[in-house]
Amino acid sequence: KNEVEQSPQNLTAQEGEFITINCSYSVGISALHWLQQHPGGGIVSLFMLSSGKKKHGRLIATINIQEKHSSLHITASHPRDSAVYICAVRSGGGADGLTFGKGTHLIIQP
Amino acid sequence: DSGVTQTPKHLITATGQRVTLRCSPRSGDLSVYWYQQSLDQGLQFLIQYYNGEERAKGNILERFSAQQFPDLHSELNLSSLELGDSALYFCASSLQTGVSPLHFGNGTRLTVT
Repeated sequence: KNEVEQSPQNLTAQEGEFITINCSYSVGISALHWLQQHPGGGIVSLFMLSSGKKKHGRLIATINIQEKHSSLHITASHPRDSAVYICAVRSGGGADGLTFGKGTHLIIQP
Repeated sequence: DSGVTQTPKHLITATGQRVTLRCSPRSGDLSVYWYQQSLDQGLQFLIQYYNGEERAKGNILERFSAQQFPDLHSELNLSSLELGDSALYFCASSLQTGVSPLHFGNGTRLTVT
């Protein structure tokens, strides 16, 4: 079973700061997802990665397959970025269900 | 809007009862996944269907069952409900199985009293 560890668990920052959230996993994967969950509860898929780096607006996600590690970066953070960010992995070997990290609770203060 | 529709949004029921949660996937998506999010366990994968067939099973209890119909909508049936089944239940869909992006519904919040 894959174990997914996220850090930090909680993060409070000021508007405009550069944010980094980390995710480590224990065994080989076929894909890694970064998800965003707002206080209302809905989940939005931000990125799906199997290698390298992806960018969407102010969000950047990177993955290092050899080190079994991924990071989510937010540039020029804004209060509307306040949410829980969840890392999830799909194991290799054809298993399709995701294993989730416990999430990082991010608060951006104005 | 993800295009994935879940009904109902909220459900309150008593222990021992049975409920059915419904999910309509995004148009064109063949794969449907069910997830449970509780305060103590976080998000957990329950089960996946692909084009009407069960594809993968996760931490789904024997009291729970699911199916995907020919029109690709899916239902999750929860029976003999216990207080610990209170959770948010999410459905997600993807075009195919494997490494297609996931699209999540807004969830059904189940409260068992």
